[in-house]
Amino acid sequence: DAGVIQSPRHEVTEMGQEVTLRCKPISGHDYLFWYRQTMMRGLELLIYFNNNVPIDDSGMPEDRFSAKMPNASFSTLKIQPSEPRDSAVYFCASSFGRIANYGYTFGSGTRLTVV
Amino acid sequence: GIQVEQSPPDLILQEGANSTLRCNFSDSVNNLQWFHQNPWGQLINLFYIPSGTKQNGRLSATTVATERYSLLYISSSQTTDSGVYFCAVRNTGTASKLTFGTGTRLQVTL
Repeated sequence: DAGVIQSPRHEVTEMGQEVTLRCKPISGHDYLFWYRQTMMRGLELLIYFNNNVPIDDSGMPEDRFSAKMPNASFSTLKIQPSEPRDSAVYFCASSFGRIANYGYTFGSGTRLTVV
Repeated sequence: GIQVEQSPPDLILQEGANSTLRCNFSDSVNNLQWFHQNPWGQLINLFYIPSGTKQNGRLSATTVATERYSLLYISSSQTTDSGVYFCAVRNTGTASKLTFGTGTRLQVTL
């Protein structure tokens, strides 16, 4: 298995531009999570899906952020318009099972820089 | 929400030394994982250990859920062990989301 695949690995964009981050979970996993990591706040959960349905988006910072999961093998996190304070590493993770008994697997992350 | 505290925040070891990292959590959990974030930023799942003891090579972990703590042991440390170690827990009854601690930054020197 190729693991959780995220793209792009690095993204540099200008303030005000739209940014789309992509994630392909491990095949067969039914939970998908988006996390953000910053020096100030550490790793924080933004949103997670179960069977492609958003379950908890309480961590999404504001309306500029949106996430979709159109099918079991693909998810996007979109920021529009982007701001410098959105600069962070964004991780996608997936797991199997209602109680995630098998643990999470993380992708390699997307390092976003907004200038 | 559940609080997760890790100690020490920073640790410097000489190669070959042993260490113990601690994770305390404020409520009952049904999922606890230890992750290693390497210097390239990748998060590696080390252990899924909601209770009991597990070992994998030079690493082992013990979770005492009733006392709300977990320990990660690193023996005969190597420079490749450097990075940040995170403990993450899921509060019983809160579906599937993990809450991460602030991590222990480990530097292993020659």
